[in-house]
Amino acid sequence: ELKVEQNPLFLSMQEGKNYTIYCNYSTTSDRLYWYRQDPGKSLESLFVLLSNGAVKQEGRLMASLDTKARLSTLHITAAVHDLSATYFCAVVAEGNKLVFGAGTILRVKS
Amino acid sequence: NAGVTQTPKFRILKIGQSMTLQCAQDMNHNYMYWYRQDPGMGLKLIYYSVGAGITDKGEVPNGYNVSRSTTEDFPLRLELAAPSQTSVYFCASSYSPGQGGYTFGSGTRLTVV
Repeated sequence: ELKVEQNPLFLSMQEGKNYTIYCNYSTTSDRLYWYRQDPGKSLESLFVLLSNGAVKQEGRLMASLDTKARLSTLHITAAVHDLSATYFCAVVAEGNKLVFGAGTILRVKS
Repeated sequence: NAGVTQTPKFRILKIGQSMTLQCAQDMNHNYMYWYRQDPGMGLKLIYYSVGAGITDKGEVPNGYNVSRSTTEDFPLRLELAAPSQTSVYFCASSYSPGQGGYTFGSGTRLTVV
């Protein structure tokens, strides 16, 4: 059974600082997603990573995938308040099912 | 361009009552899913469907039932509501494996009292 672990679960950052969220998964998968969720809202797709060494960037967020280590990272550069949200990684399991991590609550303080 | 539509958005149920959460998609996606999200937690899969007439259990199916009579609709039925079913429910859909991403509905916030 595929397990997905994220850490940290809570992250309080100062504006302008850099930090990384980690996502480990237990079995082989061919796709990994990162989502953003604002309070009371649905999930917004940020990135899909398909292959080993894949790197995608959008604004201050950069995601990468190491399929051999079963590890994905979401790097935040020079954080701003608008990035405050909960971030989830999700891995595709057998049957095209998405298995989610517990989420990382990010709070950016000015 | 509706995507995935969930109704209702909010509902309060009394213990033992029943209800159906509706989910409809207009993208001709084969795969549909129901997730629940408890406060401060990730999403857990309740049931999923790979096409009309085919459904299967996910991680937390107890207390729920589903049907998929058409490609577009995937309703979730709660027969005897319990406080443990207080949660936010998300419906999602996708094409076949390896084709495109997942589209999520806006969610149904259910409280059982």
